[in-house]
Amino acid sequence: EPEVTQTPSHQVTQMGQEVILRCVPISNHLYFYWYRQILGQKVEFLVSFYNNEISEKSEIFDDQFSVERPDGSNFTLKIRSTKLEDSAMYFCASRGNRGYQETQYFGPGTRLLVL
Amino acid sequence: AQTVTQSQPEMSVQEAETVTLSCTYDTSESNYYLFWYKQPPSRQMILVIRQEAYKQQNATENRFSVNFQKAAKSFSLKISDSQLGDTAMYFCAFMKGWETGANNLFFGTGTRLTVIP
Repeated sequence: EPEVTQTPSHQVTQMGQEVILRCVPISNHLYFYWYRQILGQKVEFLVSFYNNEISEKSEIFDDQFSVERPDGSNFTLKIRSTKLEDSAMYFCASRGNRGYQETQYFGPGTRLLVL
Repeated sequence: AQTVTQSQPEMSVQEAETVTLSCTYDTSESNYYLFWYKQPPSRQMILVIRQEAYKQQNATENRFSVNFQKAAKSFSLKISDSQLGDTAMYFCAFMKGWETGANNLFFGTGTRLTVIP
């Protein structure tokens, strides 16, 4: 069964460093998402991406964040200058574009720790 | 704005018993979808069940079923014959109708369910 994959599973970085989180969505999906979950809190929407551009973004998704689909398979989230408060689990999700495909399927997440 | 409320931070149930997790939501949309996701200790987000708002029939998936009350904006999850593997955090989530765009999920704060042997 197709699944969303994410790399790395864990990332430790120093404050101020850039990180890139990678995702490979399900191959025939057209909508892509990034969410984050700070430990012990709920899952929060960051950004959605469709047709090679951002569709929606939340207040969390400020100028330090960017997303890209550099090729036909990868979907990346870049944090330019990490802060301590960026420590969280980051989930990528994807879905198709037809009625029965509205379900978002999540990857296993990348656990980011900023020191 | 959409909000999702889960009023039970923690619940427990004896193995083989039935438990119901509550969720309410607030929206002005008429077309939307509701989901329950399970997050075990591995922190993977796993879809449990989904419900289309335009369907009156409650969704079921094996031991999992929902009680969808559209007028009351309530969407509870019933787990029958609870198993130890059901121990997890359960999140209720809302999504606007897909016709209106990319549409992100709005999550509740979660209910931590423990199944007791």
